[in-house]
Amino acid sequence: EVQLEESGGGLVQPGGSLRLSCAASGFTFDDYTMHWVRHLPGKGLEWVSLITWDGGTKHYADSVKGRFTISRDNDKSLLYLQMNSLTTEDAALYYCTKDSTGGDYGDYFDYWGPGTRVTVSS
Amino acid sequence: EIVMTQSPATLSVSPGERATLSCRASQTVSGNLAWYQLKPGQAPRLLMYGVSTRPSGIPVRFSGSGSGTDFTLTISNLQSEDVAVYYCQEYADWPGSFGQGTKLQIK
Repeated sequence: EVQLEESGGGLVQPGGSLRLSCAASGFTFDDYTMHWVRHLPGKGLEWVSLITWDGGTKHYADSVKGRFTISRDNDKSLLYLQMNSLTTEDAALYYCTKDSTGGDYGDYFDYWGPGTRVTVSS
Repeated sequence: EIVMTQSPATLSVSPGERATLSCRASQTVSGNLAWYQLKPGQAPRLLMYGVSTRPSGIPVRFSGSGSGTDFTLTISNLQSEDVAVYYCQEYADWPGSFGQGTKLQIK
C-alpha cells in the first residue's frame, strides 16, 4: 500500500523558514517524480514544485521560485521542501504527491499524503 | 496557461440521488483530465484520470465523461461519505492547473 506522510509544518513568522519532509513507502520511491502541492485557505490547489526520480530536474511555481528548494533522499525514501523567506501568502496545507508516471513528469497525481499545515503569522 | 472553471461552487444533493459536477477548460485538454476528492483531515484521493478511467478501489458509482473543454463527474446513488470538495485538474499543459473546486453537500 502506497503511503505518504508529511511532517514539519507549524507556525512561523513572516520572513522565517521551515523544512517540510515526506516519508514514502509502499512503492519504489526512486522510480518516480515527486511533487509538492498546496491548498491555500479559501482558495484552491496550487502545484508548488517537482523533483525527478534522480533529483536531476527540479521545477518550481513562479510564486515560490528562489525561496523554496525541493530535494530527496532516495536511500531513505524521503522528500523535502525547504521554505525560506515565508510570507502570509505561503500559509497553506502542503501535500506531498506522487507522479503517476515513472521516470517522467507532467501527469496526474495518483497518491497524496494527508498534508502538513504551514501558518505564517507574527 | 489553461484556466479550469468548475460549477457549481456548492451542490446539495439528497442521499441516493445523482450529483453532477462540471469542469470547463479555457482551451482543449484532450483526454488529460483528472478528478480528486478532498475531505478534511484525509489524504486527497484520485477519483478519475484520462477523463473516465477509475483507479482501482474507486466505486463504480463515480463516472467521468466529456472531451475537449467540457467535462463532467457524475456520482450516482449519493452516499453520506461522498461529502467532500471535488477538484478537476488538467495535465495537458505542464505543470497542469486545478479548478476552484465544487463542495458537495448532502441535502
